[in-house]
Formats: sequence, structure tokens, C-alpha cells
Amino acid sequence: AQSVSQHNHHVILSEAASLELGCNYSYGGTVNLFWYVQYPGQHLQLLLKYFSGDPLVKGIKGFEAEFIKSKFSFNLRKPSVQWSDTAEYFCAVSSSGNTGKLIFGQGTTLQVKP
Amino acid sequence: DAGVTQSPTHLIKTRGQQVTLRCSPKSGHDTVSWYQQALGQGPQFIFQYYEEEERQRGNFPDRFSGHQFPNYSSELNVNALLLGDSALYLCASSRRMVPNYNEQFFGPGTRLTVL
Repeated sequence: AQSVSQHNHHVILSEAASLELGCNYSYGGTVNLFWYVQYPGQHLQLLLKYFSGDPLVKGIKGFEAEFIKSKFSFNLRKPSVQWSDTAEYFCAVSSSGNTGKLIFGQGTTLQVKP
Repeated sequence: DAGVTQSPTHLIKTRGQQVTLRCSPKSGHDTVSWYQQALGQGPQFIFQYYEEEERQRGNFPDRFSGHQFPNYSSELNVNALLLGDSALYLCASSRRMVPNYNEQFFGPGTRLTVL
């Protein structure tokens, strides 16, 4: 069965620090990969997605993620975080060609101290 | 352009009751998926509707059922509510016919509390 594992449950950083959130998935076939963000009091929003091609994906607000197929990983990075990045971050996977069923990780709460 | 809308925002029910949640998809979208997000967890896929039929289902009991209407809006029904059904219920919409493009747009959710 598909599953997603996010290693960090709660991360606390100071502004300008670099961020890397880990995500590993379990699935034997071709996948689509996503990072969603949920700001306090707001709904889930897509940060970035990988369908195919360049494994380094750039998203909104300076975020990027790298798909490493051999490691079944899709880690999220940002070189310099801001207080406004405080939110919950979810990694998700779906099987390629499947237009439904996202499998989400447990989420990582990021707290950025000003 | 209106995004995904859900109603009601909050709902309080007692054990054994039944509840209906509603979702209107983003304009141009024809597919609706429902997710349950328990506190401190990631969303879990309940089921997906397209062309008014349930197309995929996650690991949820038959107490969870749904419907999609000709205008693509959808309802989620939960019967015989249990305390463990307390959660945020998310609706997500997408366009099915775009090849290999299954980006889903999420609504704000309905917070269900079962007492």
C-alpha cells in the first residue's frame, strides 16, 4: 500500500535560517508528488508539484523540492525562511495517471521565530 | 473565480446521528474528492466522485457515503456518528480529463464535532 512518511513533526527555526523538510514515500510505480501548505486559519494550498521531467521543482514563495527516485524521497527546501512561513506542511503522493486519491504524510509544523 | 466552497463551516452532532456536508467545486472542475483530517494528522482520502458516480474509495466504512449532482457539487453523508468521526472534512476538486494532471484544489473544510 502507498504511504508517506514525514520525518520532522515539529521544526522551530529563526528567520533567515535554511529549511529542509524530509518526505519519503512507499510505492512501486510511477508517482506524482506534492507539497501542500496550511497557514494558520487557512485552507490547504499547493506549494509545488512534480509530475515528470526535471527532478528539481520550484514552487511558490521561494520553495523548491528535489525528487530522488532511488531514495523514494521528495524533500522540501527553502534557503532562508521568513516568519510568514510559519505553517503546517504536508507531503502527498498519488500514482501517476490517477486523478484522485492523494496519500498525505502526517505533516510538519514549522514555527519561525522573528 | 470562486474556489472550492464548503458548508457548513462548523457542525456539532451527537453519537448515532447522521450528518450531511456539502461542497461546490472550483469553476471548470468536474471531479470532487473528500478527505478526513483528524487533529494532528494529514488528510485521509475517503472517496472521489466523477460523472455522479463513486470512482475510488479509501479505507472508510459504509457509514460514509456520498453523492454528486449534475452541476458537479457533492455531498458527504455520515451515518451512525461515532466520537472518532470528529475531524475536519475537506473537499477537493480537480479536472479529470487533463492527462496526468491531477492537481486538487482544497476547500476550507467543515469542522465536525461529535459529542
